[in-house]
Amino acid sequence: NAGVTQTPKFRVLKTGQSMTLLCAQDMNHEYMYWYRQDPGMGLRLIHYSVGEGTTAKGEVPDGYNVSRLKKQNFLLGLESAAPSQTSVYFCASSSRDRGPDTQYFGPGTRLTVL
Amino acid sequence: SQQGEEDPQALSIQEGENATMNCSYKTSINNLQWYRQNSGRGLVHLILIRSNEREKHSGRLRVTLDTSKKSSSLLITASRAADTASYFCATDAGTGFQKLVFGTGTRLLVSP
Repeated sequence: NAGVTQTPKFRVLKTGQSMTLLCAQDMNHEYMYWYRQDPGMGLRLIHYSVGEGTTAKGEVPDGYNVSRLKKQNFLLGLESAAPSQTSVYFCASSSRDRGPDTQYFGPGTRLTVL
Repeated sequence: SQQGEEDPQALSIQEGENATMNCSYKTSINNLQWYRQNSGRGLVHLILIRSNEREKHSGRLRVTLDTSKKSSSLLITASRAADTASYFCATDAGTGFQKLVFGTGTRLLVSP
C-alpha cells in the first residue's frame, strides 16, 4: 500500500498561472481533505470531500477549486495563482465506517508563487 | 480560525528527559488527536482520546484530556533524538465526517 501520494512534490508558479495538485489514496477511504500549512499557522482546511462526486468548502477555500471524480483521487486547482498561495499543501484521507478515526497524510507539495 | 493553541511553541531537552506539551481548545469536542510532523514530511497520527476519556497511554506517550478546562497534554517519556519533530493537537467536533481543526504546534528538539 502506498497510502496517500501527492504530485508534484515541488512547484514554482508565476502570478496568474494555473495548476492542479493531485492526491491519490489506495485505502478505499471515503473522506478526503486538502490543507495548507503556513509558518506558525498549523494546518488549515481548504476543501474536503465526503465521497465521490461531492465536495465542500473548508476554512480557507477562496482561490481554490476541487474535484473528486473518482473515489481514490482528489484534485486541488489554482485557477490564477497569487503570492498569498505560497504554502505547503497536504492531502489527507480517512475512513467513514470506522467511527472516530485518524487522518492519513500525504508527503506534501511545496508551492511557491512568484 | 485555529481551534487549538499549543504551549510551548518550542521545547528543547536532552535525551532521556520527559517532554510535555499542552493544547487548549475553544469549543466542545468529540475527540482530540495528536499528530507528529518530521521536518519536510506529512503528519503522522500518534494517539486519539475520546471526550469521555481522561487519560490514554501508547508506548512512551501519555495523553490527558480535561474537558472542563478544554485542554489536553501530551507527555513523551524518556525522549530520544528521533522524537525531534513538531507536534500538533487536532480536535474533532463530531460533525460526522472527522473534520479536524489543528493547533499551531509545538516544535520539540531532543539533543543527544
